[in-house]
Amino acid sequence: DVKVTQSSRYLVKRTGEKVFLECVQDMDHENMFWYRQDPGLGLRLIYFSYDVKMKEKGDIPEGYSVSREKKERFSLILESASTNQTSMYLCASATTGTNEKLFFGSGTQLSVL
Amino acid sequence: QQQVKQSPQSLIVQKGGISIINCAYENTAFDYFPWYQQFPGKGPALLIAIRPDVSEKKEGRFTISFNKSAKQFSLHIMDSQPGDSATYFCAARKKTSGSRLTFGEGTQLTVNP
Repeated sequence: DVKVTQSSRYLVKRTGEKVFLECVQDMDHENMFWYRQDPGLGLRLIYFSYDVKMKEKGDIPEGYSVSREKKERFSLILESASTNQTSMYLCASATTGTNEKLFFGSGTQLSVL
Repeated sequence: QQQVKQSPQSLIVQKGGISIINCAYENTAFDYFPWYQQFPGKGPALLIAIRPDVSEKKEGRFTISFNKSAKQFSLHIMDSQPGDSATYFCAARKKTSGSRLTFGEGTQLTVNP
């Protein structure tokens, strides 16, 4: 069965800390995504990657960066965490084709105090 | 700026009733319209999807109705069950954007027994 694993279910960090959110997929998918989920705002795309070492900005990239050194792993980095980055972060992966289906991880609830 | 507008934000339905969630979009470049279902503590999962060359797609109790001229599509859940209680997201994808999806704001559905 398809699996996207996010390293932490809950995370509490302090303002100004550097935060790493890790995501691993076991499906050999080319495409990986980081979304942010906030009530009333739906899922908003932060960054995505369509190949190793390739990345593209999504709709809300400010304050975030990403790293994809291996095909199965996609990391989201908050360089200096701020309280407005308190949110649920969802990683997803997808293969490439005409009916791409996104497979999501269970999410990381990040609280920045 | 939300490219896909979803309503209502929350919906309460009695068991056996019909749940209807609506979405509207502006960008005529969108060519694929999936719905995702999210249970508490889980990531979203693909429920059903439609392309604009058909007006309706049905899978079991779930139906998507698509109105290309009005740029609207909706999810109908027939004979709603308590197990359908979840958050539902509509989404849209541009042909040129690969797997990248734009999501609506989400609808929290509660089906009372």
